[in-house]
Amino acid sequence: GAGVSQSPRYKVAKRGQDVALRCDPISGHVSLFWYQQALGQGPEFLTYFQNEAQLDKSGLPSDRFFAERPEGSVSTLKIQRTQQEDSAVYLCASSHRRGRDDEQYFGPGTRLTVT
Amino acid sequence: AQSVAQPEDQVNVAEGNPLTVKCTYSVSGNPYLFWYVQYPNRGLQFLLKYITGDNLVKGSYGFEAEFNKSQTSFHLKKPSALVSDSALYFCAVRDDSYNFNKFYFGSGTKLNVKP
Repeated sequence: GAGVSQSPRYKVAKRGQDVALRCDPISGHVSLFWYQQALGQGPEFLTYFQNEAQLDKSGLPSDRFFAERPEGSVSTLKIQRTQQEDSAVYLCASSHRRGRDDEQYFGPGTRLTVT
Repeated sequence: AQSVAQPEDQVNVAEGNPLTVKCTYSVSGNPYLFWYVQYPNRGLQFLLKYITGDNLVKGSYGFEAEFNKSQTSFHLKKPSALVSDSALYFCAVRDDSYNFNKFYFGSGTKLNVKP
């Protein structure tokens, strides 16, 4: 079956522009996560959804970052007024259940470059 | 605070030799430990996990990992390395405290297997 998909794969934005990054999780997966991966670093947690409910947004770096999953499937991460420090790969992951022992399935990521 | 350390940025090994990629962790509760592998331009792929039970965990592609509670380590191992194992490896941890949604990733270890 299809894995987690993300679009666009690459995005170049001028500083100050708004961007929207899309994640299509594996069908039926309850949990959805967003991560930010800077160059040479491991992924850093941004936010977590259980179905349509955003249960944890403690990793969002500023109020310019906003995520939604209105119907409990597709999710969008929006970054307003992009800054150069927002340049990173944004990873989406989903897991079947909501248990702490569940492994996550990752998408290929969206590489955001802010110029 | 929860954290993961991968002390080696890079590990070099000859094909056919055993390999070890090191990981140590710090959590406030009981750890749930994971290893992921990342190939260029692809998402992270799950390799194996430790939840409870036997300290030696076997996973995909012949990899295994040993959980050591006293040393707070979860090193990844393989008895005989293949050139195709060359990739970026990430260790991750979550715990059983109230905030178990978060995965904490290490900074990654690049494994180079030479023919």
